[in-house]
Amino acid sequence: EPEVTQTPSHQVTQMGQEVILRCVPISNHLYFYWYRQILGQKVEFLVSFYNNEISEKSEIFDDQFSVERPDGSNFTLKIRSTKLEDSAMYFCASSGGTDYGYTFGSGTRLTVV
Amino acid sequence: DQQVKQNSPSLSVQEGRISILNCDYTNSMFDYFLWYKKYPAEGPTFLISISSIKDKNEDGRFTVFLNKSAKHLSLHIVPSQPGDSAVYFCAASEGSPGTSYDKVIFGPGTSLSVIP
Repeated sequence: EPEVTQTPSHQVTQMGQEVILRCVPISNHLYFYWYRQILGQKVEFLVSFYNNEISEKSEIFDDQFSVERPDGSNFTLKIRSTKLEDSAMYFCASSGGTDYGYTFGSGTRLTVV
Repeated sequence: DQQVKQNSPSLSVQEGRISILNCDYTNSMFDYFLWYKKYPAEGPTFLISISSIKDKNEDGRFTVFLNKSAKHLSLHIVPSQPGDSAVYFCAASEGSPGTSYDKVIFGPGTSLSVIP
């Protein structure tokens, strides 16, 4: 079964450092998303991406965040200068634009120290 | 501002019985509703969806009911199996996946334990 792949599974970084979280969506999907889940809290929408541009973003997705689809297969989330409160599980998802919901990756656990 | 609420953080059910997970929402613009299941250390897995033009959708052991006037939906699992033990997230969107309004808002989740 096709799956969304995320790397790395766990990333530890120092506060103020830049991190890039990587995702390989399902190959024929057209819509891409990042969500995050802070420990013990709910899954929160960050950003949606379609046709090489951001279609929606939440208030969490400020100027420190950016997304890119550099080569037609990878979909990346960059956090420019990490803060302690960015520590969370980050989930990438993709959709073919059907009624079958999104397919989520297994997540990257980001720990900012 | 909790647009999607799941007021029961946990639920325990005997194997073979029905599990009923409830969800309420506040945004009347929500047009599309989904249920996801999540195991620890994994991403959410899509289970079943329903659009606002329907009041029921069934897929095997899973049935979702939507009461739009009450802004309430529920997920029924019959019969419940131990492998169903997971966190279940109710989610809602102003449009179906791939539309301009496909930002999905998740509820806080209900942890279901199915006891053998």
